[in-house]
Amino acid sequence: ELQLVESGGVLVQPGGSLRLSCAASGFTFSTYWMNWVRQAPGKGLEWVANINEDGSETYYVDSVKGRFTVSRDNAHNSLHLQMNDLGAGDTAMYYCARSGSRTGWFSSWGQGTLVTVSS
Amino acid sequence: QSVLTQPPSASGTPGQRVTISCSGSSSDIGGNTVHWYQQIPGTAPKLLMNSHNQRPTGVPDRFSGSKSGTSASLAISGLQSEDEADYYCATWDDRLKNWVFGGGTKLTVL
Repeated sequence: ELQLVESGGVLVQPGGSLRLSCAASGFTFSTYWMNWVRQAPGKGLEWVANINEDGSETYYVDSVKGRFTVSRDNAHNSLHLQMNDLGAGDTAMYYCARSGSRTGWFSSWGQGTLVTVSS
Repeated sequence: QSVLTQPPSASGTPGQRVTISCSGSSSDIGGNTVHWYQQIPGTAPKLLMNSHNQRPTGVPDRFSGSKSGTSASLAISGLQSEDEADYYCATWDDRLKNWVFGGGTKLTVL
């Protein structure tokens, strides 16, 4: 059974750092692009970043460029999001989602992990 | 403010047909495929319709999608109470070099 399970979301102070993880199972992880999508409380979906199959290509939404880094470990079927210099605007549920290509649809989603940035 | 424009709300009675629009520009919808996602409050989004107007297993054929120029739409026929959810359109933006979502449409079944 295909599964994406996010972890790492916690309450963190402004200016702090956090590393999110997404554990994948039930499919050949190394053959898919992977994405991070977030949703602030009561708001809509916002794509954050994605990474290609071997980790050599990444894209980010402007608001996180220079602060967030997406990476993957194909040997351990895991996706990561290193988040630095966090601000209140980063408070959101963070979902990982797989896609077949850079512009392919998000065919499967995890259940999300909640990041709260507050003092 | 979202790059793609959706009406914030839509409604219909059981059995009715409802359409949700998604408006963009030449750099997003105009040059790329559009996908639709359904999110029941408190749960993760799920793919409803991909760019080839294909529905994942389990999505009824009451749902259909279309695209013309820089706009797309999702149609739901034979509305059912279980269709009450938030619906989002999404596409790749060639100018921004990232994915963009619509602001979402909250569908209420009266």
